[in-house]
Amino acid sequence: DMKVTQMPRYLIKRMGENVLLECGQDMSHETMYWYRQDPGLGLQLIYISYDVDSNSEGDIPKGYRVSRKKREHFSLILDSAKTNQTSVYFCASSLDNERLFFGHGTKLSVL
Amino acid sequence: KTQVEQSPQSLVVRQGENCVLQCNYSVTPDNHLRWFKQDTGKGLVSLTVLVDQKDKTSNGRYSATLDKDAKHSTLHITATLLDDTATYICVVGDRGSALGRLHFGAGTQLIVIP
Repeated sequence: DMKVTQMPRYLIKRMGENVLLECGQDMSHETMYWYRQDPGLGLQLIYISYDVDSNSEGDIPKGYRVSRKKREHFSLILDSAKTNQTSVYFCASSLDNERLFFGHGTKLSVL
Repeated sequence: KTQVEQSPQSLVVRQGENCVLQCNYSVTPDNHLRWFKQDTGKGLVSLTVLVDQKDKTSNGRYSATLDKDAKHSTLHITATLLDDTATYICVVGDRGSALGRLHFGAGTQLIVIP
C-alpha cells in the first residue's frame, strides 16, 4: 500500500524551541516536498527535495531547513520556532504528474 | 497575488443533489491541473488530473473539465453523499516534471447535509 507517513500528528512547542517534523515514503519516489497550510490560503511550498542531499528552497523557506539523507526520509527542522510558524505541515512525494501522494499532516502549535 | 482562485468558498448541498466547483487561474505555463479532496484533518487525495488544452475526465461520481484557453476548470459531483463533505482543492502545475511548481487554490469547502 503506497503511502506517505508523517510524525508526529500533533505537536505543541514553546517559542524558541527546536522542532523536528519527519516524513517517510515507501514508494522510492525521488521527489519530496514540505508544504504548510494556513486557513484561507493555498498550500505554500517550503522546500523541495529532488533526491538525497539535493534540496531546493521553495517559496517560503525562511525559518526552516531540511534534511534528506535517505531517499525514503525527508525531515523539516525549525530552529528556534516562532509563533507565526503555527500551521499544518504537509509532506508529499511524487514520481510524475500522475502520482502525487500527501501525508496526513502535522499540526504544529508554537506558543 | 493568488494565481489560483476557487469559487465558491463554501457550499452546502443536500444529499443526492449535484454540485459544481469552479477554478480560475493565471498560472503560466499551465502544464496540468489536478483536483484534490481533503477530508477534515487529513491529507490531500488526488481525484483527477487534466492535461490537454480542452480536457474532460470522469472518475465515478466526479467529473472534471479544463479549458486552457479560458484558464478555467470545473469539478462536478453527481448525486452527492454525506462522505463527500470535504474541502476540494484545485492545483495547477507549471511543468510536467518535478522541476515544475504546483500552485494551490485555497479550496472550496463542501458540506453535504441529510
